[in-house]
Amino acid sequence: GAVVSQHPSWVICKSGTSVKIECRSLDFQATTMFWYRQFPKQSLMLMATSNEGSKATYEQGVEKDKFLINHASLTLSTLTVTSAHPEDSSFYICSATSGSRSSYEQYFGPGTRLTVT
Amino acid sequence: GESVGLHLPTLSVQEGDNSIINCAYSNSASDYFIWYKQESGKGPQFIIDIRSNMDKRQGQRVTVLLNKTVKHLSLQIAATQPGDSAVYFCAENIPPGQFYFGTGTSLTVIP
Repeated sequence: GAVVSQHPSWVICKSGTSVKIECRSLDFQATTMFWYRQFPKQSLMLMATSNEGSKATYEQGVEKDKFLINHASLTLSTLTVTSAHPEDSSFYICSATSGSRSSYEQYFGPGTRLTVT
Repeated sequence: GESVGLHLPTLSVQEGDNSIINCAYSNSASDYFIWYKQESGKGPQFIIDIRSNMDKRQGQRVTVLLNKTVKHLSLQIAATQPGDSAVYFCAENIPPGQFYFGTGTSLTVIP
């Protein structure tokens, strides 16, 4: 149980275009979802926290107008990278908490690799 | 807080030896810690967790030690196997619920 999926797993796009990444909890209801970004050989950096039906809370330094997060249901959150540039190329990982067993236990998705050319 | 732009430290061990991976955290308000394993191109995988009211927790072949006085966390892997080769991250939860990851350590097991 507690499976989180991401789609797509890898996307290549041209500079200036927008890319949407989906994060789904497959067998539980995710009250909170987190989005992380990871550059090669670096740690995961928390970008934002989203609760279903409310606006996402962004970490300092993360542009909310560039990284649009929508948590429309208890099983789906989307991250849209708007007007992507090569420096946005990274590994984007989502995680979700169910709040049923432990409010702290996070389940991670497999990640989405974004390459902007 | 978040780790910023650091390259991963590395640790190499012989197969069968014990591994110790260390992590320092900065926020004294952190109340929950998790160790994750991440293989190349994949998302983090939960290994073991510990709450701040504990100083030691054991799992299968893994032990986590927490020293709140010096804000230090360690992961011990017994009888390290080639399949343990990965990057290991500690993560701290800062109430009310933000997770921040440490720099990470790249573990290589030599057969």
